[in-house]
Amino acid sequence: AQSVSQHNHHVILSEAASLELGCNYSYGGTVNLFWYVQYPGQHLQLLLKYFSGDPLVKGIKGFEAEFIKSKFSFNLRKPSVQWSDTAEYFCAVKRGGGFKTIFGAGTRLFVKA
Amino acid sequence: DVKVTQSSRYLVKRTGEKVFLECVQDMDHENMFWYRQDPGLGLRLIYFSYDVKMKEKGDIPEGYSVSREKKERFSLILESASTNQTSMYLCASSLRGGLAGRDTQYFGPGTRLTVL
Repeated sequence: AQSVSQHNHHVILSEAASLELGCNYSYGGTVNLFWYVQYPGQHLQLLLKYFSGDPLVKGIKGFEAEFIKSKFSFNLRKPSVQWSDTAEYFCAVKRGGGFKTIFGAGTRLFVKA
Repeated sequence: DVKVTQSSRYLVKRTGEKVFLECVQDMDHENMFWYRQDPGLGLRLIYFSYDVKMKEKGDIPEGYSVSREKKERFSLILESASTNQTSMYLCASSLRGGLAGRDTQYFGPGTRLTVL
């Protein structure tokens, strides 16, 4: 069965530190890849997505993610985090042509001011 | 902007009660989804619908049913609520799907259901 694994459940960083959140998936075919974010008290919302083309995708608020097909990975990065990035981040994978999106367990990021 | 609304933010019910969770989207999306969100488990798909009156089971459909009589509305029903259904329930909608396969999901604010 298709699965999504997020490497860290909790991450604590100081402001200005660099961030990398790992995400690996198990499906070997064509995939659409997403990172969603849920800020405290807010709706889950899209941060960025990859469908095809350049494997390095840029999203909102300075986030980017790199799709490495050979490693089945889609890691999220930000060079310098801010206190306002405190949130829960979910990696998600959808098989190309399918309806279902599989979500990872989520990573709670806390950024200390 | 896409707006997905859910009928309640917080709900408390007793074991054995029938529970209805309502979701409405205003962007004419074909696809609608119900998830439950539990700490450490992420989002798990309960049911989805890709058209009016069409529904498909997700990964954890047991104890739930759904109804989609109109395109904009997707209801989740707990026929006989149990304590293990205490959770956050999220509704989502998306445009297209299937072979297009490029749709982003738009989420509602969630309903936190407690079953006593």
